[in-house]
Amino acid sequence: EPEVTQTPSHQVTQMGQEVILRCVPISNHLYFYWYRQILGQKVEFLVSFYNNEISEKSEIFDDQFSVERPDGSNFTLKIRSTKLEDSAMYFCASSGAQGAGYTFGSGTRLTVV
Amino acid sequence: SQKIEQNSEALNIQEGKTATLTCNYTNYSPAYLQWYRQDPGRGPVFLLLIRENEKEKRKERLKVTFDTTLKQSLFHITASQPADSATYLCALDLTGGYQKVTFGTGTKLQVIP
Repeated sequence: EPEVTQTPSHQVTQMGQEVILRCVPISNHLYFYWYRQILGQKVEFLVSFYNNEISEKSEIFDDQFSVERPDGSNFTLKIRSTKLEDSAMYFCASSGAQGAGYTFGSGTRLTVV
Repeated sequence: SQKIEQNSEALNIQEGKTATLTCNYTNYSPAYLQWYRQDPGRGPVFLLLIRENEKEKRKERLKVTFDTTLKQSLFHITASQPADSATYLCALDLTGGYQKVTFGTGTKLQVIP
């Protein structure tokens, strides 16, 4: 069964450093998403991406965040200057057609120290 | 304000019984509603989607109902098994498009052998 692949599975970074989280969505999907989940809390929407542009973003997704689909297969989330409160599990997801639901990756656990 | 509420208390049931989980929402008019399963440290896994004009959807031992008047969805697992133990999330689409779904806090289900 097709999978959404995320790398790395765990990233530790110093506060103020830039991080790039990588995702390979399912190849024939058209809609891409980033969500995050702080430990013990709910899954929160960050951003959706369709047709090479952002469709919607949440209040969390401020100027420190950006997304890119550089080559037609990868989908990346960049955090420019990480803060302690950015520590969370970040999930990438993709969806293909109406009624299909979202396929999530296994996540990247980001720890900011 | 808009809210999605799921039972915050864990649900413990005996193996073989039917588990029923509730998702209530306020001030939303979702075009569809999704249910996901999440295991610890893993990404959500899509289970079922039900549209606003559908009353009920089934998939194997799973059944979802959607009452737009009561603003409630019920998620049933019949003949529950210990392997069904997980956190179950409901997620609502607000737009009918694919900009995002918003997740509830989830209900932790424990099936006791």
